[in-house]
Amino acid sequence: AQKVTQAQTEISVVEKEDVTLDCVYETRDTTYYLFWYKQPPSGELVFLIRRNSFDEQNEISGRYSWNFQKSTSSFNFTITASQVVDSAVYFCALRGSGGSNYKLTFGKGTLLTVNP
Amino acid sequence: NAGVTQTPKFQVLKTGQSMTLQCAQDMNHEYMSWYRQDPGMGLRLIHYSVGAGITDQGEVPNGYNVSRSTTEDFPLRLLSAAPSQTSVYFCASSYWNGQGKETQYFGPGTRLLVL
Repeated sequence: AQKVTQAQTEISVVEKEDVTLDCVYETRDTTYYLFWYKQPPSGELVFLIRRNSFDEQNEISGRYSWNFQKSTSSFNFTITASQVVDSAVYFCALRGSGGSNYKLTFGKGTLLTVNP
Repeated sequence: NAGVTQTPKFQVLKTGQSMTLQCAQDMNHEYMSWYRQDPGMGLRLIHYSVGAGITDQGEVPNGYNVSRSTTEDFPLRLLSAAPSQTSVYFCASSYWNGQGKETQYFGPGTRLLVL
């Protein structure tokens, strides 16, 4: 069975601080995919990134960066120099392969509040 | 492109009523899926489809039916609504480019209240 744990229920930071959102996953698949999504207060869901399990290179996109560590089954998300517009719920998710292919399992989300 | 559209945006049902949540995408994406979002539960996959004529169950399929007669449309049917189906429902589609890079798109959601 697949499982995604986002231990941080809520995080509050002041604007311009760096913040890291943790994500730990469990899967028996040797090939799998990890995702991050953003859900701002308006309620829509925004896809941020997909990472393949066979590619451990970290990725950076502007102020966003993702640290994938297979050894600790973690896929953490860092926002550098946070802004008020980053305030949202962030979800981490996992999709396996083989029999569980296409089935996406979400964590319960982390509410990030960036205060001015 | 209109992206992923969902109708209605909000619906109130009485227990036992049936209804269909509509989802459509105009991007010619093969993969589509339905999720429900409940407070403190994150999103849970209800059903998904990897192409026209092909559907499969997700994590919480009971009480819901789907069909995929066209690439564009993926309706979700509630057979006999129950208060436990009160939730926000999201439809999504996915696209893989020639290099295998995936992008996902979500609809705006349907808020369903079952009394």
